[in-house]
Amino acid sequence: EAQVTQNPRYLITVTGKKLTVTCSQNMNHEYMSWYRQDPGLGLRQIYYSMNVEVTDKGDVPEGYKVSRKEKRNFPLILESPSPNQTSLYFCASSLVGQGDGSTQYFGPGTRLTVL
Amino acid sequence: QKEVEQNSGPLSVPEGAIASLNCTYSDRVSQSFFWYRQYSGKSPELIMSIYSNGDKEDGRFTAQLNKASQYVSLLIRDSQPSDSATYLCAVRVGSSASKIIFGSGTRLSIRP
Repeated sequence: EAQVTQNPRYLITVTGKKLTVTCSQNMNHEYMSWYRQDPGLGLRQIYYSMNVEVTDKGDVPEGYKVSRKEKRNFPLILESPSPNQTSLYFCASSLVGQGDGSTQYFGPGTRLTVL
Repeated sequence: QKEVEQNSGPLSVPEGAIASLNCTYSDRVSQSFFWYRQYSGKSPELIMSIYSNGDKEDGRFTAQLNKASQYVSLLIRDSQPSDSATYLCAVRVGSSASKIIFGSGTRLSIRP
């Protein structure tokens, strides 16, 4: 089954404790992206990757890191989480370019709470 | 000005009527436009995509794109209670279509 998976689905942590949220896709997509969703603000892009070893900042990259060492995986790293990073996080993937292939497929989401 | 704007709603429509959702965008080089439906606490799922001016129909859904006016809309015919959700407009921006901007979403409620 074609899918994007994220782990963990739920995480409660404390300020300053490093964490990683994993994202994996099995559709051989070049493009992967991380979003956060907050009430009234919609989905905001954190980082995206056009291919292996190619990453770039989205609209809200502060406090986050990513890496793309393999095509299927795109982990999101919070080196020192703060309470303002409490949010619902989504990973998504797609082919590169325009047209129907550029439709993004989303993971199930990770609800993060930073105390 | 936000890059992708939607009326936050809530938009209340009687069952069986047509729901009309609107979205405007500011990046003139945008070429790919998407409508996603999102139920509370769930991930967005694609409803429609559109790339050319005009209308695109898929079942009860019709997407309309007007690049000159920088406007994209979604019509839902014969609205059902299961259509009650938040609808997100998304635009791939830039010459390489690398960034994706979402609107803040319109909450749609279908009343029986």
